Amino acid sequence: AQTVTQSQPEMSVQEAETVTLSCTYDTSESDYYLFWYKQPPSRQMILVIRQEAYKQQNATENRFSVNFQKAAKSFSLKISDSQLGDAAMYFCAYRYSGGYQKVTFGTGTKLQVIP
Amino acid sequence: GAGVSQSPRYKVTKRGQDVALRCDPISGHVSLYWYRQALGQGPEFLTYFNYEAQQDKSGLPNDRFSAERPEGSISTLTIQRTEQRDSAMYRCASSLMTSGSSYEQYFGPGTRLTVT
Repeated sequence: AQTVTQSQPEMSVQEAETVTLSCTYDTSESDYYLFWYKQPPSRQMILVIRQEAYKQQNATENRFSVNFQKAAKSFSLKISDSQLGDAAMYFCAYRYSGGYQKVTFGTGTKLQVIP
Repeated sequence: GAGVSQSPRYKVTKRGQDVALRCDPISGHVSLYWYRQALGQGPEFLTYFNYEAQQDKSGLPNDRFSAERPEGSISTLTIQRTEQRDSAMYRCASSLMTSGSSYEQYFGPGTRLTVT
């Protein structure tokens, strides 16, 4: 079974600084997708960034980028120029690329942005 | 366009009562998923539909939980004889296709269920 582990329950960052959230996962599959979701206080689930395992290049979306290390099964999220609106729970998630698309989530990291 | 909608948004019920939670996926989306999210935790898979067929219900915690999607669109998650431990956010997601590519799951706002 696939598992996703987020070992940092809470993180804080000064506004305009950079923060990195960690995630490791375990799978026996070679082709899969990894995601970071943001959950603000409204408790919506917002997709932040997506990485295909077959791509070596790290995904980037504006101020958000990932460091994907397939051999180490590591998938960290870097937020640059942190903004107050980035404060939220962040969930790392995994989905096998074959078959249907059940998503396995980590337990989340609560990010606080300090003005 | 309209996203995934869920109703009710909040539901308070007394222990022992039955509840029905509704999910209206994005129009044309074939796949529909139900997840449960306890406070401070990530969502956990409950069940999955491909059109009207329930393909996987391995995440349903016990036989008090059931789900249906009779016409391949709207889905209902029913919890019978609710217990306090059923209190959680119940979230629905839909995606365009079943497999391949990177067909993203779009999540609804969730139904917060409180069992007193």
